[in-house]
Amino acid sequence: RKEVEQDPGPFNVPEGATVAFNCTYSNSASQSFFWYRQDCRKEPKLLMSVYSSGNEDGRFTAQLNRASQYISLLIRDSKLSDSATYLCAVSLLGGYQKVTFGTGTKLQVIP
Amino acid sequence: DADVTQTPRNRITKTGKRIMLECSQTKGHDRMYWYRQDPGLGLRLIYYSFDVKDINKGEISDGYSVSRQAQAKFSLSLESAIPNQTALYFCATLNHPGQGTKNIQYFGAGTRLSVL
Repeated sequence: RKEVEQDPGPFNVPEGATVAFNCTYSNSASQSFFWYRQDCRKEPKLLMSVYSSGNEDGRFTAQLNRASQYISLLIRDSKLSDSATYLCAVSLLGGYQKVTFGTGTKLQVIP
Repeated sequence: DADVTQTPRNRITKTGKRIMLECSQTKGHDRMYWYRQDPGLGLRLIYYSFDVKDINKGEISDGYSVSRQAQAKFSLSLESAIPNQTALYFCATLNHPGQGTKNIQYFGAGTRLSVL
């Protein structure tokens, strides 16, 4: 089993739609969780960290479910500019060690 | 200027050649990483370093070596390049706990390597 798994997609959604991605992780000792955004042929950039209580940043909401060992990303009111690949990342020991990435979920927002 | 700079950005080489990919950072972070990215396989860790004198193998270190010449510099070498090392390579940094509360990885723009 992979340490971090994501549905590769693509998720094709119309503008204005709400879309959600999940990411499962295998190591129950994982302590830090992140969502990164990667545009085509570009480097990944942090979108948001994921906190135990869940957190929101504008149209983006991240949730952590430790019991089921997954994190989620919800995007409301999708924009064309949200089209990208979304990578989840997980690390042990507070995130100051190595970080393991999922393979990414591709999102295409359609006009 | 970018905080994490990779050179070259693109490289085409032949099987058996030795090549070096370089990474430098101005963020003052202790931790540096090399990843490769392949379609369908995501980012895979090659090597990482927590300090100038600390080098650790990642999940796919075979065929690669690294050198941490200074806190700000971390280079990746392919001693004898082979075609299945064709990939997009990223360098990244991460802050030490004492350097701030956010443990964010910052990536370079990537090096696209083709081995013919």
